[in-house]
Amino acid sequence: EDQVTQSPEALRLQEGESSSLNCSYTVSGLRGLFWYRQDPGKGPEFLFTLYSAGEEKEKERLKATLTKKESFLHITAPKPEDSATYLCAVQDRGTGKLIFGQGTTLQVKP
Amino acid sequence: DGGITQSPKYLFRKEGQNVTLSCEQNLNHDAMYWYRQDPGQGLRLIYYSQIVNDFQKGDIAEGYSVSREKKESFPLTVTSAQKNPTAFYLCASTVRRAHAELSNQPQHFGDGTRLSIL
Repeated sequence: EDQVTQSPEALRLQEGESSSLNCSYTVSGLRGLFWYRQDPGKGPEFLFTLYSAGEEKEKERLKATLTKKESFLHITAPKPEDSATYLCAVQDRGTGKLIFGQGTTLQVKP
Repeated sequence: DGGITQSPKYLFRKEGQNVTLSCEQNLNHDAMYWYRQDPGQGLRLIYYSQIVNDFQKGDIAEGYSVSREKKESFPLTVTSAQKNPTAFYLCASTVRRAHAELSNQPQHFGDGTRLSIL
């Protein structure tokens, strides 16, 4: 069964304290892995798509990487405005559907 | 600006009542989706549509219905058969690949409707 697990569920960082969020997945055939950011009461905002193991993408303080079993979202020198819930989703090659993880809620304190 | 508009932002349902959530997009996307989000859980797919006048059930379609009469619009009805409707409902859209496959392009989301029971 296709499954996506994100860890940790919640993460508290001091401003400037770098860390990583994990997304482990089991899918019969990966078409793509997506990272989203979600602010409270809002819809998810697209960040990155990764398609193959070894691929990396960057946007400001965020860098996403992909292996055959997991993806990491690295946050370098975070700021309070980076506080949000980060969602990971994989797209199954056979069905095309997105399977979402539960999310990691990040809080960055000044 | 192009985007996805969901309305209303908040909705209350009385017992035995059907309610309809609106989703409109001006991105010229073919495929549209409805998800349900509960605290501590990932988004779960309710229904999706790849083209006008066609839609398929997702993983949790029971108690819900949809229509796709126009490319821009994909309304979701939460029927009285849905016994636990309290949740945050999200609509999304994306481009569709030429050969009727679900696109591997990212889905773009609206800002959701929060549904509660009175």
